[in-house]
Amino acid sequence: DVKVTQSSRYLVKRTGEKVFLECVQDMDHENMFWYRQDPGLGLRLIYFSYDVKMKEKGDIPEGYSVSREKKERFSLILESASTNQTSMYLCASSGRDRVNSPLHFGNGTRLTVT
Amino acid sequence: GEDVEQSLFLSVREGDSSVINCTYTDSSSTYLYWYKQEPGAGLQLLTYIFSNMDMKQDQRLTVLLNKKDKHLSLRIADTQTGDSAIYFCAEEGAGSYQLTFGKGTKLSVIP
Repeated sequence: DVKVTQSSRYLVKRTGEKVFLECVQDMDHENMFWYRQDPGLGLRLIYFSYDVKMKEKGDIPEGYSVSREKKERFSLILESASTNQTSMYLCASSGRDRVNSPLHFGNGTRLTVT
Repeated sequence: GEDVEQSLFLSVREGDSSVINCTYTDSSSTYLYWYKQEPGAGLQLLTYIFSNMDMKQDQRLTVLLNKKDKHLSLRIADTQTGDSAIYFCAEEGAGSYQLTFGKGTKLSVIP
């Protein structure tokens, strides 16, 4: 069974703090994604990566960066957290073989910035 | 850009069938997906269909695809209270690993 693990379910941070959200997958997937989910706005893609050391901006990258030093780990970084980054953050991974390795999500991290 | 539309709410009685509909605009879509999200959790992959198929059945779930009309539906037979959740439709364009998601349909099952 595919497992995508996000390190925290809930996180509370202060405005201006640097925040790290960690995601690890155990299926040797090449592709990893970070989304945020907000009521009324659905899922929005922040960043994605198709390989180690590779990253691409999604639809809303402003205020975020990512790191993919190892294949199994994809980190989302909020350089200076702001209250408008309070949201549910979802990590997902998939393989290049869509039939056998479709997109799977972690359980999410609910981040509150005060 | 690509767009995926779903109605926001659906309410059914326990034991009835639920049908959740979705339309998409990308004619090059290769795979179409249904995900389920329970409160406070991530999205769980339910099923997916390749664009050259028109139907896929998996236990209580039936997916119908009308590629000409770009319409996808998910039928849940004998709906149970545990099926109450938000259901997301998503499509994947040709040559891309990115999915475009609808905003989700909240299914409420009345006992």
